[in-house]
Formats: sequence, structure tokens, C-alpha cells
Amino acid sequence: AQTIHQWPVAEIKAVGSPLSLGCTIKGKSSPNLYWYWQATGGTLQQLFYSITVGQVESVVQLNLSASRPKDDQFILSTEKLLLSHSGFYLCAWSRLGVYEQYFGPGTRLTVL
Amino acid sequence: QQKVQQSPESLTVSEGAMASLNCTFSDGTSNNFRWYRQHSAKGLEVLVSIFSDGEKEEGRFTAHLNRANLHVSLHIREPQPSDSAVYLCAVSMDSNYQLIWGSGTKLIIKP
Repeated sequence: AQTIHQWPVAEIKAVGSPLSLGCTIKGKSSPNLYWYWQATGGTLQQLFYSITVGQVESVVQLNLSASRPKDDQFILSTEKLLLSHSGFYLCAWSRLGVYEQYFGPGTRLTVL
Repeated sequence: QQKVQQSPESLTVSEGAMASLNCTFSDGTSNNFRWYRQHSAKGLEVLVSIFSDGEKEEGRFTAHLNRANLHVSLHIREPQPSDSAVYLCAVSMDSNYQLIWGSGTKLIIKP
């Protein structure tokens, strides 16, 4: 069975500090991977997707970047956090050519 | 650009009564529609996906799609308090890489 892990579970960071959020998929090779962001009380917004190692497509950047260093790993990062980066970050995966996306438990980010 | 709207914003239903949620979209060429739910501060759980006009049932969850009316609904049969969550409608266009999301319906099931 496939499992998806996100780390950290929650993070409190200062404005201007760097950030790195991680996502790992186990039990599935060559998944499509996605990053989403959800402001508190807001709509879910897709940020990035990747269909293969080393390739990431941006949907909405929000001064963030994403990388896929390994087949099962997706990283979201920035060098300088903004207050507006606060929210809930979700990673998801799907099979190639299949529409369902399966979500991780999320990371709650608070920027002060 | 595709717009997805959900109604009502909030819904309270008694345990065992049918719960019905609505989602309208602006572009009828959308090719697939899904319903997810999100319990407080947790990840999303996919409930049902539908690609053709008509009905699709997954357990107690039934989706109805009417492209001509730009409308997809979700009906929950015999809801339990554990079904209380935010229900999200997602629509994708020409690929499975990008989803457009509604703002959600907060469903509360009263014992």
C-alpha cells in the first residue's frame, strides 16, 4: 500500500527566515507529485506539480520553489518567508494518467 | 478561466437524514470532477470521482453530474457525526495535473 508522509507536522518561523517542507511517497514508483497551499479559512490552491524526477512545473509561485530530487521525494522551499506564507501545505500524489490525487496529512506553517 | 463555486457555505443535518451539497463550474468542457473531504487541520480524503453525466456511487456517497447545467452534486446517505467535515469540489480541465477547487461546504451532522 502507498503511504505519503509530510514533514514537519507543524512549523513556526520568523519572517525572512528560510523554509523547507518535505514530502515522501512510499510504495509507488514514478508518481505524479503535487504541492498545495491553503490559507486559514481559504480555498485550496495548487502550487506545483511534477511528473518526473528533476522536473517541476509551477502553477502559482507565491515566492516559493519546489524540487524533486528523488522519485519519491518532493521539497517545497523558500529563502525568505513572508507573513502571507502562513497556512496549511499539502502534498499529494497520483498515478500517471489517473485523475485521483491522494493527499498527505499536511504541514501547518505559522509565520510571525 | 474555470471558476468553481460551492453551496451552501455551511450545512447542518440530523444524523441519518440525507445531506446534499452543490458545486457549479463555469467551463463545461471540464473533463472530470471529484469530491473530497477534509477533517479539521488534516489531509484530504477522496470520496468520489465522476467523468460522465449521470450518477456515480461510492458507498454512502453519490455524485450527480449535469454538464449542461454546469452542476455537480454530492449526496451523503445516512450521515453520521463522523462525517462532519469540510467537503471540497475539485474540477480539472485537460489534464490530471491541475485541479481548480471550490471553497468548500462545512457539513455538521447532529446526533
